[in-house]
Amino acid sequence: GIQVEQSPPDLILQEGANSTLRCNFSDSVNNLQWFHQNPWGQLINLFYIPSGTKQNGRLSATTVATERYSLLYISSSQTTDSGVYFCALGGGADGLTFGKGTHLIIQP
Amino acid sequence: EAQVTQNPRYLITVTGKKLTVTCSQNMNHEYMSWYRQDPGLGLRQIYYSMNVEVTDKGDVPEGYKVSRKEKRNFPLILESPSPNQTSLYFCASSLEHRGNTEAFFGQGTRLTVV
Repeated sequence: GIQVEQSPPDLILQEGANSTLRCNFSDSVNNLQWFHQNPWGQLINLFYIPSGTKQNGRLSATTVATERYSLLYISSSQTTDSGVYFCALGGGADGLTFGKGTHLIIQP
Repeated sequence: EAQVTQNPRYLITVTGKKLTVTCSQNMNHEYMSWYRQDPGLGLRQIYYSMNVEVTDKGDVPEGYKVSRKEKRNFPLILESPSPNQTSLYFCASSLEHRGNTEAFFGQGTRLTVV
């Protein structure tokens, strides 16, 4: 099956800092999503981005499918950005394969 | 608002007492699935459904049942819950079962079996 590796596993930043989260994957895919799991456990859709670049406010994402990686950028971090960020790939009948996530803590 | 709704959000139950976690989506999606999330194991698929009356096992189906009598609903049934089913459960839906459509997740159900 698809292998998904996320880095870094943990990240602690001060409010206002910028960060880049990375997702490497083993096979070509036609579905890649980024999620934020907040401290209450909810999975929030951030981006559906099998290729190209998208932006939504302070967040943006880029997927380079030919090189099998995706990046999530968070600018001007806020404490509400804390949580775990997951990259997930594949979909189809077998469902999504999730990475282990990046645990982000934003300190005031 | 387009959404996937799970109920209940939190549940504490005793071993052996049958329970159902409901899941409903209002996006007319064909594909629905259930995942469980456990520390160190990540999210794993339990069951999925490609359309009404079509269901199949995922990676960890033991101890669970599902049904898909209507397109919008996909309940997860634990006939005889055991403590190893204590977990955070998510229902998800997407437009179709092919891999090129976005998946949407419910709010999660935190289940504790004592």
